[in-house]
Amino acid sequence: GNSVTQMEGPVTLSEEAFLTINCTYTATGYPSLFWYVQYPGEGLQLLLKATKADDKGSNKGFEATYRKETTSFHLEKGSVQVSDSAVYFCALSANSGGSNYKLTFGKGTLLTVNP
Amino acid sequence: GAVVSQHPSWVICKSGTSVKIECRSLDFQATTMFWYRQFPKQSLMLMATSNEGSKATYEQGVEKDKFLINHASLTLSTLTVTSAHPEDSSFYICSARAGPNTGELFFGEGSRLTVL
Repeated sequence: GNSVTQMEGPVTLSEEAFLTINCTYTATGYPSLFWYVQYPGEGLQLLLKATKADDKGSNKGFEATYRKETTSFHLEKGSVQVSDSAVYFCALSANSGGSNYKLTFGKGTLLTVNP
Repeated sequence: GAVVSQHPSWVICKSGTSVKIECRSLDFQATTMFWYRQFPKQSLMLMATSNEGSKATYEQGVEKDKFLINHASLTLSTLTVTSAHPEDSSFYICSARAGPNTGELFFGEGSRLTVL
């Protein structure tokens, strides 16, 4: 079946540090890949996505490249801010045979950025 | 972007009672909604897929008689936890798909259930 593995947290960084959160996946076919962010007390929000190999998703300074050869979708940001403190979830969406496109999530990585 | 709202955001109930959680898509029609359960420091676990006007499809291991899902309209799905027990305490999150051919989902704020 489909699965997503992301690096375990928590990750603690100082403001302006470089961020990498690793994510690898197992899936049949050609899934779409997503990063979702969950700020404290809020629901998940889509951060970025990529729908095919070599696509790069980007948003708010975050980037992730869909690497089919390494089945990875690592999240990066060059300079984090305190406001980036949140839980980050890597996820994939693969047609389950119907039209529902169910998401499979990783366990989430808690990021804390200190001033 | 599209907005999905859940109510209540938190609820405390006694063991043995039933609790209903609503999930509404505020500015779009959602033919499909998903219900997830999130344990502390764990990922979201898909419980069921809710399709408007038809029975929900439950994931393996999820008791359909305990977690009743109704999707009576294109903007509303409800999850009822029947005869709740302390082990049902969790964070329940709904999401709705805004389009027929996209995996992009919009999530509600979540509902925290505590069963005493």
